[in-house]
Amino acid sequence: EDQVTQSPEALRLQEGESSSLNCSYTVSGLRGLFWYRQDPGKGPEFLFTLYSAGEEKEKERLKATLTKKESFLHITAPKPEDSATYLCAVSGYQKVTFGIGTKLQVIP
Amino acid sequence: DTEVTQTPKHLVMGMTNKKSLKCEQHMGHRAMYWYKQKAKKPPELMFVYSYEKLSINESVPSRFSPECPNSSLLNLHLHALQPEDSALYLCASSQVPLAGAIYEQYFGPGTRLTVT
Repeated sequence: EDQVTQSPEALRLQEGESSSLNCSYTVSGLRGLFWYRQDPGKGPEFLFTLYSAGEEKEKERLKATLTKKESFLHITAPKPEDSATYLCAVSGYQKVTFGIGTKLQVIP
Repeated sequence: DTEVTQTPKHLVMGMTNKKSLKCEQHMGHRAMYWYKQKAKKPPELMFVYSYEKLSINESVPSRFSPECPNSSLLNLHLHALQPEDSALYLCASSQVPLAGAIYEQYFGPGTRLTVT
């Protein structure tokens, strides 16, 4: 059974304080790893897809990386508007499995 | 601007009611999905449509009935729901899954359903 574990469950940062979110996964034949951002009461917003170990993608203050067992979402100099829940998901065979997410709060 | 829209935003229904959730996408995708999300939980896949045909049903109770009238529209018909079915219902679309791989999905804003 595919599994996704995200840590920490919650993270509180001061504005400008960089940090990383972790996503560990076990999947039979990874076909893609996704990062999404979800604001309260809204649908997830797609951020990145990573396909193979060593791959990196960047968007503004966010950078996602992938190894054979885990992915990191690095947040550089975060701003209060980066506050949200960040979901990691993996595509196995005909299925997407989501992690429980990391709730990020950035304090001004 | 979201290119996946859902209506209504909120729905309150009794256990004997029949209602429908609607989803429309303008992304040219040929795969569409229904998810259910409870508070502080990840989205759970319910149904997948590829080329307007149901391809995956994750053992969802028959009180939930999906329908895909065309490549842009997806409905979820609700009947005789239970209070535990209260949740955020999300619609998503993507490129058609290939070789078992599901591609990045684009979600709508969701319908907040409350069953009384």
